[in-house]
Amino acid sequence: AQTVTQSQPEMSVQEAETVTLSCTYDTSENNYYLFWYKQPPSRQMILVIRQEAYKQQNATENRFSVNFQKAAKSFSLKISDSQLGDTAMYFCAFSYSGAGSYQLTFGKGTKLSVIP
Amino acid sequence: SAVISQKPSRDICQRGTSLTIQCQVDSQVTMMFWYRQQPGQSLTLIATANQGSEATYESGFVIDKFPISRPNLTFSTLTVSNMSPEDSSIYLCSVGGQGIGYTFGSGTRLTVV
Repeated sequence: AQTVTQSQPEMSVQEAETVTLSCTYDTSENNYYLFWYKQPPSRQMILVIRQEAYKQQNATENRFSVNFQKAAKSFSLKISDSQLGDTAMYFCAFSYSGAGSYQLTFGKGTKLSVIP
Repeated sequence: SAVISQKPSRDICQRGTSLTIQCQVDSQVTMMFWYRQQPGQSLTLIATANQGSEATYESGFVIDKFPISRPNLTFSTLTVSNMSPEDSSIYLCSVGGQGIGYTFGSGTRLTVV
């Protein structure tokens, strides 16, 4: 079974600073996808960034980037120039296509607060 | 990416009653996923719904408690049956794929009293 671990229940960062959220996962699969989702108080799940395991290059989306270490099974999210609107729960998630199953397995989440 | 309209956004229900949650997608999709998010917790998959076949339920979830309808490729419903306070959660539907990411509905906040 696949597991996703987020070891930081809560974090805070000053506005305009950089913060890194940690995520590790456990799988025996070789071909899979990793995601970071953001859930603000509105509870809408918003895709922040995704990474394909077979790609060595780290994904980036504007102020968001990942550090994907496949051998270490680590997938951290870096948020640069933090903004007040980044305040939210952040969930790391894993998906693979084994046995025709495509659902997401989520970590427990990290609550990020951006301080003015 | 697909846009999902989920209804209702919230409801307060009496124990022992049932609530049906609807998700309408603006494009045809093969699989739809239903998740539960208990207060302060992460998302847990309830079931995967494919059009034209029975939904596949995850361990700990049963069809009698969470019947799912998938009449076509753009619509699905999840019913929470015979509700108890322990069913108070946010319920979310989702569509998508690994290559493009998964889109979520806006969620249904259910409170059972």
